[in-house]
Amino acid sequence: GDSVTQMEGPVTLSEEAFLTINCTYTATGYPSLFWYVQYPGEGLQLLLKATKADDKGSNKGFEATYRKETTSFHLEKGSVQVSDSAVYFCALLSGGSNYKLTFGKGTLLTVNP
Amino acid sequence: EAGVAQSPRYKIIEKRQSVAFWCNPISGHATLYWYQQILGQGPKLLIQFQNNGVVDDSQLPKDRFSAERLKGVDSTLKIQPAKLEDSAVYLCASSFVGQRTDTQYFGPGTRLTVL
Repeated sequence: GDSVTQMEGPVTLSEEAFLTINCTYTATGYPSLFWYVQYPGEGLQLLLKATKADDKGSNKGFEATYRKETTSFHLEKGSVQVSDSAVYFCALLSGGSNYKLTFGKGTLLTVNP
Repeated sequence: EAGVAQSPRYKIIEKRQSVAFWCNPISGHATLYWYQQILGQGPKLLIQFQNNGVVDDSQLPKDRFSAERLKGVDSTLKIQPAKLEDSAVYLCASSFVGQRTDTQYFGPGTRLTVL
């Protein structure tokens, strides 16, 4: 079945540091890939997505590239801010799973000033 | 555009009691999802509706959980009787047609505590 494995947290960085959160997946067929973010006390928000191989999703300075050859969708940001502190979830959507989202366990990011 | 609405935001009940959660999806979205998110884990799908029909309820504990989507719009998720392990955040999401390239939009969730 479909599965997502993402980097264990928590991750603690200083402001303006470079961020990478690794995500790899196993899926039937050709999935779409997503990063969702959950700020404290809030629901899940879509951060970015990519629907085919080599696509790059980007939003708010975050980027992730759909790598079919390595089945990966790593999240990166060049300079994090305190306001980026949140839980980040990698997820996939495929026909093999009836178009339901399969999530990773989440990575807690804390950015200190 | 209004987002996905859920109520209540918080609920505390005793075990063996019943509870119901309500969701109003984004207008025009045919597909509605209920997810359960246990603390420290990613959300897990409980049930998926396409209009008012069930597409996937394979992970819904049907002995205690039930859900309906009347007229293909609002939805209600019920737990009866609740167990301690049902303590979680219940998330409702909707998408336009439920296909591979669709984006699912999530509501704020209902945090359930079972004592």
